Order: sequence, then C-alpha cells, then structure tokens
Amino acid sequence: QVQLQESGPGLVKPSETLSLTCAVSGYSISSGYYWGWIRQPPGKGLEWIGSIYHSGSTYYNPSLKSRVTISVDTSKNQFSLKLSSVTAADTAVYYCASRTCSSTSCPFDYWGQGTLVTVSS
Amino acid sequence: SSELTQDPAVSVALGQTVRITCQGDSLRSYYASWYQQKPGQAPVLVIYGKNNRPSGIPDRFSGSSSGNTASLTITGAQAEDEADYYCNSRDSSGNPHWVFGGGTKLTVL
Repeated sequence: QVQLQESGPGLVKPSETLSLTCAVSGYSISSGYYWGWIRQPPGKGLEWIGSIYHSGSTYYNPSLKSRVTISVDTSKNQFSLKLSSVTAADTAVYYCASRTCSSTSCPFDYWGQGTLVTVSS
Repeated sequence: SSELTQDPAVSVALGQTVRITCQGDSLRSYYASWYQQKPGQAPVLVIYGKNNRPSGIPDRFSGSSSGNTASLTITGAQAEDEADYYCNSRDSSGNPHWVFGGGTKLTVL
C-alpha cells in the first residue's frame, strides 16, 4: 500500500517561498502514477494545487500557476512543492496524494496526513 | 468559485438513504470521484469511476452519474458517516486541470 508523508516548515513569512516535500513509501515513483498537492484553508474546502507525472510532466491550477513549482526526485522517491510570494491567504493544511488515472477517471487514491503551514511574520 | 457545485449541507435519519449531488459541465464527459473527510483527518476516497469502491469502503456507498450531475448515495446511513463529502473531477477547460466541489456537510440524525 502506498504511504505518503509531508514535511516542511510550519511557519513561513509573507513574501517568502513555501517549500514542502512528500516522501513516498510502498511504491516506486518511477514506476508510474500521478502525484499531486491539495490544500485546505482552515474551515474551508479543498483546492487542487497541481500534479506531476513520474516523467516530470506538470499540471498546475491556473489560479496558482505563476507561483507554483512541483518537482519529482525519483532517487529519493519523493516529490516537492514550492509556492512563492506567499501571503496569509496561503495559510492552509497542505496534502500530498497519489492518483491512478484512466481515460475517464483520475482519483486521488492515497493521501498524506497533511501538514499545516501558517503564513505570518 | 468552484466549477463543481454541491449543496452545503444535507441531513439524513439514521438508517435511511441519502443522496449527495455534484453538478458541473465536465461531468458530462468525466467521472467524479468522491471523498469523505472527518474533522482533523485527511480526506478518504470512497467512490471513483463509474461506481467503484476502494478496498475497505462499505458497500452502502455507491455512485452514479447522469448528464452534468454526479451523485453519491449512502444506503442505510450510519452515525460514522457524518462527515464532509467532496466531489472532484476535471474542470471544463479541456486541460488536465482539476477542481473540487465546495463540499457537503452530512449530518446523521
């Protein structure tokens, strides 16, 4: 079974870059799957941030595209999120997840436990 | 605003059947997936594709789709089903971009 674990600073200053890593166990990233990041502001709903295929192809939420970079490190079996120029509106629980896609469905089947990132000076 | 629309809240009597819906243009050509989220926990996939349940999800959960509406049905709701439910699918741009519905808070009475 695939297991995912987010890690990174819990506090980031405004205008700086948020950096998170998702360590994957139970499956080799280089074998396939899509990998993604989702966030949830306190008391609000889920927001898709972006996804990456094991080959490195990336897809980003248009509303965040100018600030987001997702990358994969197959040697460490992990993938990462960078979000630049953060503001208080980026305060959220950040989840990493895996996805198994077909031509008509692409669910997030395994999720990390989530990590709260607060943007504050 | 989300391209997938859900009712904010739904209630059901214990043991009865409830349907949670998700509307969006992209659902005419792409299936929704459904997630259950309890307070303080990560979302859990409960339905995906035409009507598929991951291992460990009770068979009282089922999914269906018609036109621009996807539905999650819980037949014989249990107290432990009280949670937030989110649908997810592609957006209507034609690009591989994804959106979540705003979520439905299910209360089991």
